[in-house]
Amino acid sequence: AQSVAQPEDQVNVAEGNPLTVKCTYSVSGNPYLFWYVQYPNRGLQFLLKYITGDNLVKGSYGFEAEFNKSQTSFHLKKPSALVSDSALYFCAVRPPFSGGYQKVTFGTGTKLQVIP
Amino acid sequence: DAMVIQNPRYQVTQFGKPVTLSCSQTLNHNVMYWYQQKSSQAPKLLFHYYDKDFNNEADTPDNFQSRRPNTSFCFLDIRSPGLGDAAMYLCATSRDSQIGYEQYFGPGTRLTVT
Repeated sequence: AQSVAQPEDQVNVAEGNPLTVKCTYSVSGNPYLFWYVQYPNRGLQFLLKYITGDNLVKGSYGFEAEFNKSQTSFHLKKPSALVSDSALYFCAVRPPFSGGYQKVTFGTGTKLQVIP
Repeated sequence: DAMVIQNPRYQVTQFGKPVTLSCSQTLNHNVMYWYQQKSSQAPKLLFHYYDKDFNNEADTPDNFQSRRPNTSFCFLDIRSPGLGDAAMYLCATSRDSQIGYEQYFGPGTRLTVT
């Protein structure tokens, strides 16, 4: 069975500093990996995904993530945090295609707080 | 802009009184999902439609039903809401459910049960 772990419930970072939100996964084969962001009282918004190819994926709003197969990680990063980045971040995994429906599993979420 | 729309944004219902939440999409995606989210927890998948094919999650209570009359619309029916059903309900769409397509979420409907 697949799983996703976001080890930090909350990450605090000063505005202008680099930020990292951690995600590790467990799934057989080469997974599809996603990051979503959720602002208060809103739905989830897609940030970026890894399907195949370059391990460094660039997404919306200056975010990027690095797929590390040996460490089974897909950490979200941004070189310089903004106060407006403060939100709830979800990592998600879908197993590789093997025919039929493939369920997406979401992590428990990490609250990012950017301090002015 | 193409998008996923949910109505209403806030819904208050009484204990045991049926309620229907609606979702529409202009993305022309094949797949539509309904999630339940409580207190900033991970979204919990209730069911999804692939075109007209309905797929229920094993642990979704019978109290929750869904209808998809056409590609654009999907409804979530809660037949007899309990206090434990108070949550944010998220509708999402994707082009496909089998490979690496991301999901597009609506803004959610926050359900309060009194």
